[in-house]
This record gives sequence, C-alpha cells and structure tokens, in this order.
Amino acid sequence: AQSVTQLGSHVSVSEGALVLLRCNYSSSVPPYLFWYVQYPNQGLQLLLKYTTGATLVKGINGFEAEFKKSETSFHLTKPSAHMSDAAEYFCAVTDSGGSNYKLTFGKGTLLTVNP
Amino acid sequence: SQTIHQWPATLVQPVGSPLSLECTVEGTSNPNLYWYRQAAGRGLQLLFYSVGIGQISSEVPQNLSASRPQDRQFILSSKKLLLSDSGFYLCAWSLHGTGAGYTFGSGTRLTVV
Repeated sequence: AQSVTQLGSHVSVSEGALVLLRCNYSSSVPPYLFWYVQYPNQGLQLLLKYTTGATLVKGINGFEAEFKKSETSFHLTKPSAHMSDAAEYFCAVTDSGGSNYKLTFGKGTLLTVNP
Repeated sequence: SQTIHQWPATLVQPVGSPLSLECTVEGTSNPNLYWYRQAAGRGLQLLFYSVGIGQISSEVPQNLSASRPQDRQFILSSKKLLLSDSGFYLCAWSLHGTGAGYTFGSGTRLTVV
C-alpha cells in the first residue's frame, strides 16, 4: 500500500525566508506526486504535480518541488516566503498504473509566516 | 472549463437528524467522484469514491452513505447524525486514467450539536 509522510505537522518561517516542506512516499510502482494547498475553510487547490519527465516541477505562487526517486522524496520549496503563503499543505501520491484514481494524502503541514 | 459545486457551505444539525450534502460537476463526463472528511488535526479521510453511476466504494464503515444518481452528481447522506460526524466535508473529482489529480469543491462545515 502507498503511504505519504510529511515531516513536521507545523513549520514556522519568517517573511522572506526559505520555505521547505518535506514529503516522503512509498510506492511499489512509479508514482504520480502532488502538492495541494488549503486556506482556512476552503477546499484544496493544486500547487504542482509530477507525472513524468523533468523531475523539478514548478507550480503556482512561486513554489517548486523536486522528485528524487533514490530518496523517495518530493519536497516543496519556495525561495522567499510571503505572508499570503500561510496555509496548510498536503502532499499526495498515486501510482501511474491503472488504479491511479485514488490519491493517498499525507497528514498535512501547517505553514506559519511571521512578519 | 470544468467546475465543481458543493453545498451548503455551512450546516448546523442536531444529533439524530438526517443529512444530505450534494456535489455536482460541470464541464466533463464520467468523472471519478470522491467524498473526504477533515476533522481537526486528523488530515484528510477518504469516505467514499465512485468511478461511475451507481458504483460506490466505501473506505470507512460508519454512519454515512453515498449515492451517485446521475453521472455528475454525488450525494453524501446520513439517516441519524452523531456528534462525531462533525467536520469539514470535501467533494472532489478526477478524470479516469490520468495524472491530473483531483479538483476539490469548496467544502461544507458540518457541526452536529
């Protein structure tokens, strides 16, 4: 079974500092990987995804993530945090085979940005 | 373009009352449909998913049920709500056989009192 581990349920950074949110996955087949963001009392919004091709993927709002197969990781980064980045972030994985209709989500990381 | 509608946005219901939450998708056909619940500090819990009309898979046995009476309509129901049913309910859709991921609705905040 697939699983997703997000290290750190709460990450706090200063405005302008680097944002690094960690995600490790386990999958028996080549994965599709996703990062979602959720603002309070809203649904989840797709930030970026990796399916095939370039392992460094860029998303909305200046975020990017790198798929590292050898480390089974898909960490999310942003060079300079903005106050508007404060939200909860979810990493998710599915397999690239025929059963890819089910995403497995991590437990989420709450990002706080301090002025 | 595809859109997903979920309502109501908030709901306060007494224990023992029935529940019906509705989700509809526009601009696509034969989507996969999903119901998730978020309880405080517990991440996302998949409740039900459907890959076609009348096809419902339950992930967690509990006080809830789901139905898909039409291709792009997904309904979450309960005959008698429990306090533990409180939470934030999210509907989502995806395309079959792609790596597009899910698109989520805006959610329903359910408080059972």
